[in-house]
Amino acid sequence: DTGVSQDPRHKITKRGQNVTFRCDPISEHNRLYWYRQTLGQGPEFLTYFQNEAQLEKSRLLSNRFSAERPKGSFSTLEIQRTEQGDSAMYLCASSLAQAETQYFGPGTRLLVL
Amino acid sequence: AQSVTQLDSHVSVSEGTPVLLRCNYSSSYSPSLFWYVQHPNKGLQLLLKYTSAATLVKGINGFEAEFKKSETSFHLTKPSAHMSDAAEYFCVVRYSGGYQKVTFGTGTKLQVIP
Repeated sequence: DTGVSQDPRHKITKRGQNVTFRCDPISEHNRLYWYRQTLGQGPEFLTYFQNEAQLEKSRLLSNRFSAERPKGSFSTLEIQRTEQGDSAMYLCASSLAQAETQYFGPGTRLLVL
Repeated sequence: AQSVTQLDSHVSVSEGTPVLLRCNYSSSYSPSLFWYVQHPNKGLQLLLKYTSAATLVKGINGFEAEFKKSETSFHLTKPSAHMSDAAEYFCVVRYSGGYQKVTFGTGTKLQVIP
């Protein structure tokens, strides 16, 4: 399967713990995006990378959130000191530069107890 | 600012009847518009996109959408619903210049009754 993959698919953690999610984009795609989707809502943009550079961040991305894409391939999204309000589906997508279409992974569902 | 409104949170149709999922957008610039479908426990899949070419856009699985600038609408239609169409559908708007941010609607859940 050469689509976007995300790991883990599910994560349950206790409030205050740190969690890290990984996204592997489609191999030739140089743009990578993170979104958050809460129950009953559409996905909300968090941040995006072009190659290893993080070019845009949403106001939703508080200082407890950090994303990296060190070699311009896979990306990680870390949430420090998790809160119950962080419970959501975290989606990753990738695209070619100058292309309109973003291809989405299956998501990581986070539950903070 | 860009925004997108999906007028119905739930739509229920009988199998074999037409589907209409409504979407209105607001954008200061010429928008790019998309429809994505999300099946339970699966990733978002692109159905179709409008990027200032033909106003009637055909997508996968028999879906199509028409861009109407005068009505700021991009409604999704299908002539005949199939059971496998039951899913959640998202209308998405994006600026055609510069920004990478896309804005999703709140989604419409389509139920298909046998």
